[in-house]
Amino acid sequence: ETGVTQTPRHLVMGMTNKKSLKCEQHLGHNAMYWYKQSAKKPLELMFVYSLEERVENNSVPSRFSPECPNSSHLFLHLHTLQPEDSALYLCASSQGQGAGNTIYFGEGSWLTVV
Amino acid sequence: DAKTTQPTSMDCAEGRAANLPCNHSTISGNEYVYWYRQIHSQGPQYIIHGLKNNETNEMASLIITEDRKSSTLILPHATLRDTAVYYCIVIEGSNFGNEKLTFGTGTRLTIIP
Repeated sequence: ETGVTQTPRHLVMGMTNKKSLKCEQHLGHNAMYWYKQSAKKPLELMFVYSLEERVENNSVPSRFSPECPNSSHLFLHLHTLQPEDSALYLCASSQGQGAGNTIYFGEGSWLTVV
Repeated sequence: DAKTTQPTSMDCAEGRAANLPCNHSTISGNEYVYWYRQIHSQGPQYIIHGLKNNETNEMASLIITEDRKSSTLILPHATLRDTAVYYCIVIEGSNFGNEKLTFGTGTRLTIIP
């Protein structure tokens, strides 16, 4: 139990579907992140939110749309995805950004695009 | 660019101490050493981190050499649930969170009953 909860744990969606991944952190942290982990590839940072403002968007395609309504919740809205988007999507949080601010990850959401 | 070098795999007998080495010979003065582990199909789990001094928490101990060019993660009494891939990462403190967190290949630790 890391204090970062992701739902759903598994999602299968067609390329024309619209779905959302949800993340909630119970740690009182101010920064939240979305990462993508594909098979045999390093972890990829997608988005960073600090105090509910997006501070980082690492050239992620527009078919991925993040939303951070408050400091405890983070969503990743998915639409018209491609099969190559199938991966483990990880939400994470940290108290702040900078020296010694450890990032804590959720269990991840396994996404399969068919 | 890989900032750390770890053995690909290691075995350890259940109940014994597991010592996982990591080389980070190009580490700079403001970079922290972080350890995470990932059990199959789950998100990375934070274990411990340090800058210069040795550190200990309820999960593990981190021994950093005086020149900071290498470190060792010690799991004092390994259990079967410690079987996982262990990642050693060096991160500049001011960039943590912004920087692309590159986990590399890590060490696959297998605990033998």
